[in-house]
Amino acid sequence: DVKVTQSSRYLVKRTGEKVFLECVQDMDHENMFWYRQDPGLGLRLIYFSYDVKMKEKGDIPEGYSVSREKKERFSLILESASTNQTSMYLCASRRSGGETQYFGPGTRLLVL
Amino acid sequence: KNEVEQSPQNLTAQEGEFITINCSYSVGISALHWLQQHPGGGIVSLFMLSSGKKKHGRLIATINIQEKHSSLHITASHPRDSAVYICAVRHGGADGLTFGKGTHLIIQP
Repeated sequence: DVKVTQSSRYLVKRTGEKVFLECVQDMDHENMFWYRQDPGLGLRLIYFSYDVKMKEKGDIPEGYSVSREKKERFSLILESASTNQTSMYLCASRRSGGETQYFGPGTRLLVL
Repeated sequence: KNEVEQSPQNLTAQEGEFITINCSYSVGISALHWLQQHPGGGIVSLFMLSSGKKKHGRLIATINIQEKHSSLHITASHPRDSAVYICAVRHGGADGLTFGKGTHLIIQP
């Protein structure tokens, strides 16, 4: 059974803190994605990665960075968290050449 | 950039009713996805379409490439179908998906 896990379901951080969101997949997928989901806006792509050490900006990369040192792990980093980064963050993975994306359960981040 | 529009935004229906959710997009695509999100956040993929029609149980998805339009139908709807249904499109390559804003469906017993 395919599995994408995220390090936390809920997270509360203070403005200015550095925040790490971790995503791990056990399917040996090459492609991994970070999205954020906000009411009225739907899901939006922050960053994606073709493969290890490869990364590409999505539609809303400002304020975020990513790291992909191992194939199974894709980290999203908020260098200095701000209140407008309060959101639901969803990770997904996909086999290269495949179509189906497999989503993690999401991390609901609150920045105070 | 593709614009993905879904309608309706909210839909409340009685158990047993036939449900239709629509999705239109502005630019040609390589694939269209229908996703389901239950309260709590988890998203599951229902269908991937590049042409024609697919059926899975009580769910049917269709796509018209020329009209840039897709529909998701639910027959004999049930309260457990209550969820947010999301349309998403892909343009090929390794890019992520572009999503519609979702349709919040409530099926009342």
